[in-house]
Amino acid sequence: QSALTQPASVSGSPGQSITISCTGSSSDIGGYNYVSWFQQHPGKAPKLIISEVNIRPSGVPDRFSGSKSGSTASLTISGLQAEDEADYYCSSFTNSFTYVFGTGTKVTVL
Amino acid sequence: QLQLQESGPGLVKPSETLSLTCSVSDGSISNINYCWGWIRQPPGKGLEWIGSICYSGDTYYNPSLKSRVTISVDTSKNQFSLKLNSVTAADTAIFYCARMQMGTHDYWGQGTLVTVSS
Repeated sequence: QSALTQPASVSGSPGQSITISCTGSSSDIGGYNYVSWFQQHPGKAPKLIISEVNIRPSGVPDRFSGSKSGSTASLTISGLQAEDEADYYCSSFTNSFTYVFGTGTKVTVL
Repeated sequence: QLQLQESGPGLVKPSETLSLTCSVSDGSISNINYCWGWIRQPPGKGLEWIGSICYSGDTYYNPSLKSRVTISVDTSKNQFSLKLNSVTAADTAIFYCARMQMGTHDYWGQGTLVTVSS
């Protein structure tokens, strides 16, 4: 199974909005609403910030939002803050009853 | 608050078997609502899903690793384990265990670095 495709890097100034895309296929993102997003700070374990395309777990700020169109999912961070600087990974359930992660996106706050 | 903790050797020789255990606390591994998974991350690189096991005993593996991976559960110890055989330097990574539900990985261990080297 091939990794989902994400841009290598995205940047924005504090207060701005940024969007990270995650492109898959009909075998994963396009076929299921089990798309997740994870935030990973250096030296730390990934943290779930979005599940089932657009559900924020308790404690995750509402500036994080998710969406999906066809085989592409997106994570939007509104009102970008310094602490949002991290790596972000998408993930999807697949038709093989397995999971696949995205290639990862480094978010830089200018 | 559910906690997961990986443990095992930090150094494995090439061609040998990597063995890791994930201990689950403040939650039962026997809960039928959850599956339990392993994910790895080579230093400086992205995440790779390895596989998972559910309460039913059903296992699911990444096709690229399936021939070398075994995941098992020990309900008496509230632990689950990973075995990866015939390792090479390419298997050097931080290994994470995680709880899975509703199509996601919601709780993660802190990760453990395993280096494959002679």
